[in-house]
Amino acid sequence: ETGVTQTPRHLVMGMTNKKSLKCEQHLGHNAMYWYKQSAKKPLELMFVYSLEERVENNSVPSRFSPECPNSSHLFLHLHTLQPEDSALYLCASSPSWGVFTDTQYFGPGTRLTVL
Amino acid sequence: AQKITQTQPGMFVQEKEAVTLDCTYDTSDPSYGLFWYKQPSSGEMIFLIYQGSYDQQNATEGRYSLNFQKARKSANLVISASQLGDSAMYFCAMREGKKGGGFKTIFGAGTRLFVKA
Repeated sequence: ETGVTQTPRHLVMGMTNKKSLKCEQHLGHNAMYWYKQSAKKPLELMFVYSLEERVENNSVPSRFSPECPNSSHLFLHLHTLQPEDSALYLCASSPSWGVFTDTQYFGPGTRLTVL
Repeated sequence: AQKITQTQPGMFVQEKEAVTLDCTYDTSDPSYGLFWYKQPSSGEMIFLIYQGSYDQQNATEGRYSLNFQKARKSANLVISASQLGDSAMYFCAMREGKKGGGFKTIFGAGTRLFVKA
């Protein structure tokens, strides 16, 4: 199993649905991240977990709820989303959170469409 | 002011030629890291190369090299001997300290590279 994996790769959901995105890293890293990538906008950091503790929440609406049960797994629970939430959601991991030299390694992303 | 600026929305290069993708950054932190990522149409962000603010030499990784000019705050990516598979979006990123502790990574808007056969 390589690097960082994400499932599902594509997701279409209605505004009233509840779904979850899953991320798994096989790199032995201690930090994990959720990013949102919308068309024609820079990558937006959503959440950061370090050693399973949430250390950053960048003013993300409560309809996005992250969960990090262990250092290898990260989830993003979705409920009552809006069409503007349609985007590519990227998960990343890095050896640690508190060092400027740490490189983030990304998964393939989940392409989310909210109808 | 933007922290990471990539002034080239799109670039064309002939196969087998070299191409330079520009990146300038803005920080007052003496300790920072600079990164380049490649994003093919499949969506995955692939790490290419890293340069630390204290590194004396330009970073190189295979066909990728980073032209680091600290005084000018530029970190251009040079791809030598371009291949068709190099066609993708390229993002420059900087990791710097935050007030109150911790670090953050900021990404530029990206440059789309087209390699012509």
